[in-house]
Amino acid sequence: EDQVTQSPEALRLQEGESSSLNCSYTVSGLRGLFWYRQDPGKGPEFLFTLYSAGEEKEKERLKATLTKKESFLHITAPKPEDSATYLCAVQANTGFQKLVFGTGTRLLVSP
Amino acid sequence: EAQVTQNPRYLITVTGKKLTVTCSQNMNHEYMSWYRQDPGLGLRQIYYSMNVEVTDKGDVPEGYKVSRKEKRNFPLILESPSPNQTSLYFCASSLYTPGRYNTDTQYFGPGTRLTVL
Repeated sequence: EDQVTQSPEALRLQEGESSSLNCSYTVSGLRGLFWYRQDPGKGPEFLFTLYSAGEEKEKERLKATLTKKESFLHITAPKPEDSATYLCAVQANTGFQKLVFGTGTRLLVSP
Repeated sequence: EAQVTQNPRYLITVTGKKLTVTCSQNMNHEYMSWYRQDPGLGLRQIYYSMNVEVTDKGDVPEGYKVSRKEKRNFPLILESPSPNQTSLYFCASSLYTPGRYNTDTQYFGPGTRLTVL
């Protein structure tokens, strides 16, 4: 069974304090790994897709990396507006584009 | 603006009273899906559709129905809602290209918060 585990559940940072979020996964053939950002009361907002081990993608203060077992979302010098829940999801080679989600990491960045 | 819309955004109802949550997308996407989000369980797929008149069950389909009569619309139907269907519901859509190696990104609607009393 495809599974995604995210850690930590919650993370509190000071503005400018860099850190990383972890997404560990088991999947029967990875087709893609997704990172989404979710603000309270809103739908998930797409950030990145990673397809193969060694791949990296960046967007502003965020950088996502992928290995064969896990993905990291690195946040460099975060700002309060980066506060949100970050969701990781995997899509297997089978399953017609079904996304299997982790439970997310709630990030709070204090000024 | 490319978007997925859902209505209503908030709904409080009573056990057994049939309801429909609508979902519409303006991106000409073939694939549409419904998820529910519960604390500690994450997002779980209810039903999905690969194109008009093609639908299938996800991981938690019990108590739900869907239909896909038009490409842009994918309503979620609860014929006899129960309190355990109280949840936050999201509709998502994406392109779907059979055989394409790299998958297409799913875009999510704003959510519908349903409370069944």
